[in-house]
Order: sequence, then C-alpha cells, then structure tokens
Amino acid sequence: QVRLQESGPGLVKPSETLSLTCTVSGGSISNSYWSWIRQPPGKGLEWLGYIYYSGSTNYNPSLKSRVTISVDTSKNQFSLKLKSLTAADTAVYYCARPQGDHWFDPWGQGTLVTVSS
Amino acid sequence: DIQMTQSPSSLSASVGDRVTISCRASQSINTYLHWYQQKPGKAPQLLIYTASSLQSRVPSRFSGSGSGTDFTLTISSLQPEDFATYYCQQSYIKPLTFGGGTRVEIK
Repeated sequence: QVRLQESGPGLVKPSETLSLTCTVSGGSISNSYWSWIRQPPGKGLEWLGYIYYSGSTNYNPSLKSRVTISVDTSKNQFSLKLKSLTAADTAVYYCARPQGDHWFDPWGQGTLVTVSS
Repeated sequence: DIQMTQSPSSLSASVGDRVTISCRASQSINTYLHWYQQKPGKAPQLLIYTASSLQSRVPSRFSGSGSGTDFTLTISSLQPEDFATYYCQQSYIKPLTFGGGTRVEIK
C-alpha cells in the first residue's frame, strides 16, 4: 500500500521560496504521476500541479510560473518549490497520487506552511 | 478554467437520513468527476471516481451519479462517521479544479 509523507519548514518568510518534499513508501515512484494540492485554512482545495516519474510536468496557470515540481527516483521522492511567497500562500500542502483519469488517491497527511515575517 | 459549484454549501441532517449533494460544472465534463470526504484536520479521502465508481473499502451507502454538467453524491443512510466536508473535483480539462465543498453537520 503506497503511503505519502510531506516534509519541510512550517514557517517561511514573505518573498522567500517554499521547499517541500514528499516521500513515497510502500511502492515505487516509477510509472506514475505525482501531485501537489493545497488548502488555505478554512477554505477549499487548489491543485498546484503534477509530475510524471520521467520528469514531465503540468502546472496550474494561476501560480504564474512561481511553482516548480521535481522528482528524485533514486530517493522515491518528489518536491515542490514555490517562490515569491505572500501571506496568501499560507495553507496546508498535500502531496497526492493522481490515478486513472486523474483522481487523487492516496494523499499525504498534509503539512501546514505559514508565510509570515 | 472549469468552475465547479457545489450545493448546498452546508446542510444539517440526522443519523439515518438520506443526503444528496450536488455539483455542477461550468461546462460539460463527461464523467470526469470525482468525490472526496474530508474530516477536520485530515486529508481528503477518495469516495467516488468517474462519477459513479465506488472506491474500494468505501461503504455502499455512498453513491454517485450524473454526467455532462450535473452530478450528485448520495448517502443513503447517514452514519455518525459521515459528518464531514465533501468535495467534488473535475479532471476533464486542466487545471484540475475542485468544488467549494459541502459541510454535512449533525442536526
């Protein structure tokens, strides 16, 4: 059974870059897509983008090139970088696996990132 | 982007009630529609994929229907563990988008 676990800082300063990693256990990162989704406190879900294990990516245009997703197959991990942070980027960040016609299952437990000086 | 509109945004119901949640897409999405349940402080969990397919280990009281622009999630007999927020998601066109959620509360 594949499990996902996010890791990274819980507090980041405005204008800086957020870096999060998702570690995949219980299965290989190969031959699959992997995604990042976020949820501001008390609000709904926003898809950030996904990466195929080979490295091809697809991002949400709303992030205007601030986002980069990468994969490290040797470590069974994929990562998110989000630059030029503002308070609006404060959210719980989830990693998840898109399956089939891009529904998400499973999800990581999520990690809260607060953007504040 | 495809806008997903859920209704109602919240509802109160009793254990044993039949509950229906609607999700409408701003354009046709065929059956590329999926449903999730989220409990406070937890990650969403997949319930239904491609409009009507029940995810494994999800109780059969959950069902989904619809195609095109209008979709429904039904809980046939609400159980205490079903009080949560429910989200729909479309995967017909990128960016992938979610509905605003429907909170199911105890009456």
